[in-house]
Amino acid sequence: SQQGEEDPQALSIQEGENATMNCSYKTSINNLQWYRQNSGRGLVHLILIRSNEREKHSGRLRVTLDTSKKSSSLLITASRAADTASYFCATHQGGSEKLVFGKGMKLTVNP
Amino acid sequence: NAGVTQTPKFQVLKTGQSMTLQCAQDMNHNSMYWYRQDPGMGLRLIYYSASEGTTDKGEVPNGYNVSRLNKREFSLRLESAAPSQTSVYFCASRGLAGGPGETQYFGPGTRLLVL
Repeated sequence: SQQGEEDPQALSIQEGENATMNCSYKTSINNLQWYRQNSGRGLVHLILIRSNEREKHSGRLRVTLDTSKKSSSLLITASRAADTASYFCATHQGGSEKLVFGKGMKLTVNP
Repeated sequence: NAGVTQTPKFQVLKTGQSMTLQCAQDMNHNSMYWYRQDPGMGLRLIYYSASEGTTDKGEVPNGYNVSRLNKREFSLRLESAAPSQTSVYFCASRGLAGGPGETQYFGPGTRLLVL
């Protein structure tokens, strides 16, 4: 069953703009992760935020987590054409080996 | 350091044929996973292996078998392929640091078409 749901499902922006993607989930989690997938490639891990963290930064990425609302957001600042990809959130629940992935969000950054 | 490698990259099968998808990692990771990715469905876990010698079912195990051959290799077998198994298959691995649910490293995928 799908745990995370990304929103919007697709986003098209101009280079230099910021892109915000949201992820909502249903049950308590240990951590939430964001992955990027370029067309025809495997997934690449971007950032992990734990349930006791509220915000995390990595380069041009900023992730927030609101456990009371069961939601997370991924902000990509000063977007580049190379950021064009699909982005997935994945959640981990305690006591399990499993990550549960959302359906993904397609970001297009136009030069 | 190649990370996670998968073979083949692409395969066409006829309904009822069998095949094995191969996966290997050179990061000395304990845990390995097989996912399938279908349009609009995200990634769904088929099977995983938390350590050498153990395997467990994921969300969609029916029609598949797995073998954890050694610490490096984790194969996925389709005994009698069906058109519903047309998908892109990804292998992933995870190291010990941080425990279950930490970062996974993905292979490039195998595109399978079952006619």
